[in-house]
Amino acid sequence: DIQMTQSPSSLSASVGDRITITCRANQSITTYLNWYQQKPGKAPNLLIYATSNLQSGVPSRFSGSGSGTDFTLTISSLQREDFATYHCQQSYRIPYTFGQGTKLEIK
Amino acid sequence: QVQLVQSGAELKKPGASVKISCRASGYTFTTYFMHWVRQAPGQGLEWMGVINPGGDSFATYAQKFQGRLTLTRDTSTSTVYMNLNSLRYDDTAVYFCARGGGDKFDYWGQGTLVSVSS
Repeated sequence: DIQMTQSPSSLSASVGDRITITCRANQSITTYLNWYQQKPGKAPNLLIYATSNLQSGVPSRFSGSGSGTDFTLTISSLQREDFATYHCQQSYRIPYTFGQGTKLEIK
Repeated sequence: QVQLVQSGAELKKPGASVKISCRASGYTFTTYFMHWVRQAPGQGLEWMGVINPGGDSFATYAQKFQGRLTLTRDTSTSTVYMNLNSLRYDDTAVYFCARGGGDKFDYWGQGTLVSVSS
């Protein structure tokens, strides 16, 4: 199975900050990398697919980049509603494994 | 609009089986794969398996769940079912169905809590 590792596991930031979350695969997944946002008690919500494509309705302050084994999710200016947990997922090969999640908290 | 509606919470004893439903609406049921993902309390997301609701309903399972997990579908009601047997305490989790829109999970069910307790 492809292992996905996110860093950091948790992050404290303020409204208006720019933050970056990293996701690393233990083998190349080309650009088959998705990002999801999850709020407490809710299902995950697709933010970015295929590394850098914004899902419909997702604000443009979210962006993704990378290829091969290293990927990043950036939020350019944090809004209050962005405080949540973020998960990366590889869709290169079944089983479609996820990172362990990054919890973004208000400072 | 696309909706995936799952059945309600379940409380099961160790060794029992659980069957969760995921009813789809708002799109052509047979043209999108359906995945199942679970999340243990305070943990990350774990992919379990996928079914193609069209054709012969072929399913693929994570090796961890081989022999315990069965995905089926009923095209007359646009419903996918997840059956997990020989339940253990560490199967306590929220179980999600998610539509496979290409190589991404673009719509998710609301989740079903399965609690395994004696």
